[in-house]
Amino acid sequence: AQKVTQAQTEISVVEKEDVTLDCVYETRDTTYYLFWYKQPPSGELVFLIRRNSFDEQNEISGRYSWNFQKSTSSFNFTITASQVVDSAVYFCALSDLVNNAGNMLTFGGGTRLMVKP
Amino acid sequence: DSGVTQTPKHLITATGQRVTLRCSPRSGDLSVYWYQQSLDQGLQFLIQYYNGEERAKGNILERFSAQQFPDLHSELNLSSLELGDSALYFCASSVDSGALGNEQFFGPGTRLTVL
Repeated sequence: AQKVTQAQTEISVVEKEDVTLDCVYETRDTTYYLFWYKQPPSGELVFLIRRNSFDEQNEISGRYSWNFQKSTSSFNFTITASQVVDSAVYFCALSDLVNNAGNMLTFGGGTRLMVKP
Repeated sequence: DSGVTQTPKHLITATGQRVTLRCSPRSGDLSVYWYQQSLDQGLQFLIQYYNGEERAKGNILERFSAQQFPDLHSELNLSSLELGDSALYFCASSVDSGALGNEQFFGPGTRLTVL
């Protein structure tokens, strides 16, 4: 069965600190996709990034960067120079094909990030 | 704004009752997914429909059912409600169905409180 583990349930940092959110996954598939979503206090789920299993290049988008390491089954997310607006719950997710007809996301438990001024 | 709409935003009801949650996907999307977010279980996939047909099923209780209508909107029906059904229910949509890794766009959610 597919599984996503986010061991850090809660992280608290002071504004401008860098912070890394860990994500470890388990899958028997050779082709898969990983995602990160952000859930701000307002509650909606906001898509941040999608990465497929064949692309191990790190990605940077502004203050956000992602480190995908297949060898350790990890897909970590780093926020550089954190800001109060980054306070949210962050979810890592793994995409599963179901019976070759449908698909679903398996989510980790989420990491609550609190950025204090 | 993802383009996925869900109604109602909040719902308060009593144990034993039945409720219907509604979702309209983004324009052009044929797949609709339902997820439940609760304190106990986290974010869990419930069910997926594609162009009116059920395509994938997760840990959805027998008391719960869903359908997708010809206009592609979807409804999630929850019956014989229990306190533990209190949760945030998300609907998501995507263009296709079986493509691994297709991006799912999430609606704002319906918060269900069972008293």
